[in-house]
Amino acid sequence: QKEVEQDPGPLSVPEGAIVSLNCTYSNSAFQYFMWYRQYSRKGPELLMYTYSSGNKEDGRFTAQVDKSSKYISLFIRDSQPSDSATYLCAMSLKAAGNKLTFGGGTRVLVKP
Amino acid sequence: GAVVSQHPSRVICKSGTSVKIECRSLDFQATTMFWYRQFPKQSLMLMATSNEGSKATYEQGVEKDKFLINHASLTLSTLTVTSAHPEDSSFYICSARGGTSSGNTIYFGEGSWLTVV
Repeated sequence: QKEVEQDPGPLSVPEGAIVSLNCTYSNSAFQYFMWYRQYSRKGPELLMYTYSSGNKEDGRFTAQVDKSSKYISLFIRDSQPSDSATYLCAMSLKAAGNKLTFGGGTRVLVKP
Repeated sequence: GAVVSQHPSRVICKSGTSVKIECRSLDFQATTMFWYRQFPKQSLMLMATSNEGSKATYEQGVEKDKFLINHASLTLSTLTVTSAHPEDSSFYICSARGGTSSGNTIYFGEGSWLTVV
């Protein structure tokens, strides 16, 4: 079993819909949670960064962390074709020097 | 946000030669940088953690003598693929931890495509 599980998709939605992404993890010691967006043949771009449980909102993006369930989510409102990319969740231990453990990534396709 | 630059973005080399990839933090000092490898349609695989002024820490299964990492300054880490072979062809990505002003989060470079022919 992988430490971080993420549905590979692809997830296809119409433009304007809400995109819902999630990851589950097995290591309860993870404390920092991140979502990255990666376009084809590019490096990952940090979207959201949260510490411990709770919600965080930034523009069209909302990240949720439920440590009791070992479950994190990313919601993208009013999705645009430019949101079509692979979304990677990542997490780290407090004392791991920010060594990240990644999910496998979910491919998202927003159709105009 | 913090900027991490990689160079070259794309490189083709002959089998048996060595190739160096640079990773620079442009607007912050990075005591720790990370090197990843990514195969098509797969997630990032951590190869090693690069620490300024000390030896890199390699992940299990990564050949230290093949993937040489040097972190000579607080803004530069280099990955040298020695005696490259076609199976080393891949997308290599570095990342660096931003400072307090950047939320202590991890930022990635644009990646470097290596093709060994």
